[in-house]
Amino acid sequence: KQEVTQIPAALSVPEGENLVLNCSFTDSAIYNLQWFRQDPGKGLTSLLLIQSSQREQTSGRLNASLDKSSGRSTLYIAASQPGDSATYLCATKNNFNKFYFGSGTKLNVKP
Amino acid sequence: SAVISQKPSRDICQRGTSLTIQCQVDSQVTMMFWYRQQPGQSLTLIATANQGSEATYESGFVIDKFPISRPNLTFSTLTVSNMSPEDSSIYLCSANLDTQYFGPGTRLTVL
Repeated sequence: KQEVTQIPAALSVPEGENLVLNCSFTDSAIYNLQWFRQDPGKGLTSLLLIQSSQREQTSGRLNASLDKSSGRSTLYIAASQPGDSATYLCATKNNFNKFYFGSGTKLNVKP
Repeated sequence: SAVISQKPSRDICQRGTSLTIQCQVDSQVTMMFWYRQQPGQSLTLIATANQGSEATYESGFVIDKFPISRPNLTFSTLTVSNMSPEDSSIYLCSANLDTQYFGPGTRLTVL
C-alpha cells in the first residue's frame, strides 16, 4: 500500500521568505501527484497537478517538482505571504483513481 | 471547474445515533468519493460511489457502518451509523473532473 510522508509537519516563516515543502512516497507506480491547500472549513483546493511523465509544474509563485524514481516531490513557494498560511497536502493517485494523502505541512507565514 | 457542496457543515451528535451527510456536485460525475479526516491526521478514503451500482469500500470500512447512496450523477449521501466518539472527524466528499475537487467537509463531533 502506498505510504505518503510529508516533512516538516509544521513550518513558521517570516513574510517574504522562500520555502520548500517535501513529500515522499513509497510506490513509484503513480498516475499523478497533486498538491492541495486545506483551509479550515473550506475543504481542499488543488494547487498543482503533476502527471507521472512530467518533472514539474508551475503556477504563479508555486513550483512543484516530481522525481518518480526516488519517490519525492517538492513544493516551492516563492516570496511567501500571510495569505499562504494553510495546511498543504500532497497526494498520489494510482491507475484506479485512488488517492493516498500525506499528513500535511501546516504553514504559518508571519507578517 | 466544479463546485461541491455538503450539508450539514457541522453537527454534534449523541452516541448511538446516525447522521446522513449530503454531497452535491454542480456537474455530472461518474465517480464520487467519501473521505474521513480524523483530528490531526490526513485523509483516508472510505468508499467510492458509482451511480447505479453498490459503493466500493476500503479496508476497515463496512457498508453497515457507512451506508452510501448515489441516486444520480450529481448527488451522494454518506450515513455514519450507530456513532461513537471515535467517529468524530471531518467527512469530505470528492469528485474527479479535470482535476480532483473536494467539498468543504462536514465536521462531526460525537459525544
